[in-house]
Amino acid sequence: EVQLVESGGGLVQPGGSLRLSCAASGFSFSDFYMDWFRQAPGKGLEWVGRATNYKGDTYTTSYAASVRGRFTVSRDDSKLYLQMNSLEVEDTAVYYCAQNYYYRSEYWGQGTLVTVSS
Amino acid sequence: QSPLTQPSSVSGSLGQSITISCTGTSGDIGAYNYVTWYQQYPGKAPKLIIYDVNNRPSGVSFRFSGSKSGNTASLTISGLRAEDEADYHCSAHSSTRSVIFGGGTRVTVL
Repeated sequence: EVQLVESGGGLVQPGGSLRLSCAASGFSFSDFYMDWFRQAPGKGLEWVGRATNYKGDTYTTSYAASVRGRFTVSRDDSKLYLQMNSLEVEDTAVYYCAQNYYYRSEYWGQGTLVTVSS
Repeated sequence: QSPLTQPSSVSGSLGQSITISCTGTSGDIGAYNYVTWYQQYPGKAPKLIIYDVNNRPSGVSFRFSGSKSGNTASLTISGLRAEDEADYHCSAHSSTRSVIFGGGTRVTVL
């Protein structure tokens, strides 16, 4: 059974940093692209960033314009990470990790809430 | 403002059919057959119900169907049931922004 479990959310002040983790199991994690999405309270979904599959310790990343330069996606052989720096109030959201398979995400984590507030 | 345009709400009676539209541009919905629909209940993660415009994952009810014409994709729910009351999000591959979403549509079953 595919499982994705996010952790690391919490309350942080504007300008602060937070690192989210996503633990994967039940599939060959290194073979799949992985995405981070977020959903602000009462709003729609937003793609945040992606890591390609993990071959020979290498992968590439891509980001939404709204987080580029502030957020960094990384991965190892069993976890996906999202390092969030220079956080803004507008980054307040539930953050989800999801498996990407040919332009669709069938498996999602349960989400972790990040609140940016003073 | 979301890159894809969906109605904020759609309602229908039990047993009826409803259609949710999702309008993009020639650079996303109009260019690729990578339109995806997700169903989401409050406080829960999204669930994939349609991919590649009109394909259903295993286990998704045949009452959900998708289509596309030009820059607009549509999700139809036939034989509306109480359990269909949820938020529905459309998504598309974009040549410039990887993955884009609509703002979501709240479906109410009357």
